[in-house]
Amino acid sequence: ETGVTQSPTHLIKTRGQQVTLRCSSQSGHNTVSWYQQALGQGPQFIFQYYREEENGRGNFPPRFSGLQFPNYSSELNVNALELDDSALYLCASSRSEGLNTQYFGPGTRLTVL
Amino acid sequence: QKEVEQDPGPLSVPEGAIVSLNCTYSNSAFQYFMWYRQYSRKGPELLMYTYSSGNKEDGRFTAQVDKSSKYISLFIRDSQPSDSATYLCAMSADAGGTSYGKLTFGQGTILTVHP
Repeated sequence: ETGVTQSPTHLIKTRGQQVTLRCSSQSGHNTVSWYQQALGQGPQFIFQYYREEENGRGNFPPRFSGLQFPNYSSELNVNALELDDSALYLCASSRSEGLNTQYFGPGTRLTVL
Repeated sequence: QKEVEQDPGPLSVPEGAIVSLNCTYSNSAFQYFMWYRQYSRKGPELLMYTYSSGNKEDGRFTAQVDKSSKYISLFIRDSQPSDSATYLCAMSADAGGTSYGKLTFGQGTILTVHP
């Protein structure tokens, strides 16, 4: 069984730029959730995708957007990067019939300068 | 006030000790309670998953949920240096609830088990 994978591992951007992060869900999982984890904090829910549609969103501005593809992989896009966007971005996959059992990828460490 | 409060520690214990990690919460809609372990620079790993109140045991780990007090605990028996990590509690509402499937995490407790 293949686990959740994310790319890239690390990314450095400057303020105002745009970034795309990628996630491949675990085999058999059809739902993907994205979380932002600032240093020393717990993960915060950004949004969730099921059947290529956004299925719930946390308290994040519209410049955070996402996509889910037919193979259940997903992208997180962040426009107009701000310094406070520096964080570990985590992707978690689950089955739609068990949304609370989420398995996380290793994350992408984003640094905004 | 945060929906989920977790003492960030850090917590340092000798090998073999019993470790107690705790979270409190304010949202009475939470029905699912999870504990994750996160090693440095890694993603969280699901350790324990419980529904509603009660206890659940898995090897050296025991999870307890007291919904009347809005308090959950994770106990680690015979702690090992390999248990050194950050432990995160997470919660979610039942199906039909607005936060179903959207996990709300505590801040995490940093645990070090020294030989």
